[in-house]
Amino acid sequence: AQSVTQPDIHITVSEGASLELRCNYSYGATPYLFWYVQSPGQGLQLLLKYFSGDTLVQGIKGFEAEFKRSQSSFNLRKPSVHWSDAAEYFCAVEIMDSNYQLIWGAGTKLIIKP
Amino acid sequence: NAGVTQTPKFQVLKTGQSMTLQCAQDMNHNSMYWYRQDPGMGLRLIYYSASEGTTDKGEVPNGYNVSRLNKREFSLRLESAAPSQTSVYFCASSDPGRRLFFGSGTQLSVL
Repeated sequence: AQSVTQPDIHITVSEGASLELRCNYSYGATPYLFWYVQSPGQGLQLLLKYFSGDTLVQGIKGFEAEFKRSQSSFNLRKPSVHWSDAAEYFCAVEIMDSNYQLIWGAGTKLIIKP
Repeated sequence: NAGVTQTPKFQVLKTGQSMTLQCAQDMNHNSMYWYRQDPGMGLRLIYYSASEGTTDKGEVPNGYNVSRLNKREFSLRLESAAPSQTSVYFCASSDPGRRLFFGSGTQLSVL
């Protein structure tokens, strides 16, 4: 069965430090991949997506993610985090031919130390 | 530009009561979704509607019904609420680029 794993429930990073959030998926083919961010009390917002082509994709708010087929991973990175990046981050995989149905990871909560 | 609007924001029900969560989008999207979010479990799809007039079950449809009233509106109904339905509910719509747009959520407690 398809699944998405985000191994880290919480991550604490100092402001200005670099960030990497991990995402691994289990799927038979190369899926469509997404990262969403949820600020407290809000709905989710798309950060970036990968469909095909260049495996390094750029998103909003200075985030990027790299698709590695050999590792079935799609890790999210940011070179220097800001306090406003404190939020929960969700990785998702689209099931092909499913009217855009997504399988979601459980999320990683990012805490920023001043 | 409102995007996706959900009502109500908060609701407390007693076991066995019914209620309808309302959702409307003003982006002319064909596809709309209802998710529930529980701690440590990410989002789980309850029902979705690929276009006006069609609805399909998602991962966790039991205990819920939906209505796609028109292209803008997609409602979720709990006929007989149970404590297991305590959750945060999100409505979303998607554009042709597969980008989901979410409402701000409904926090539902069933006592």
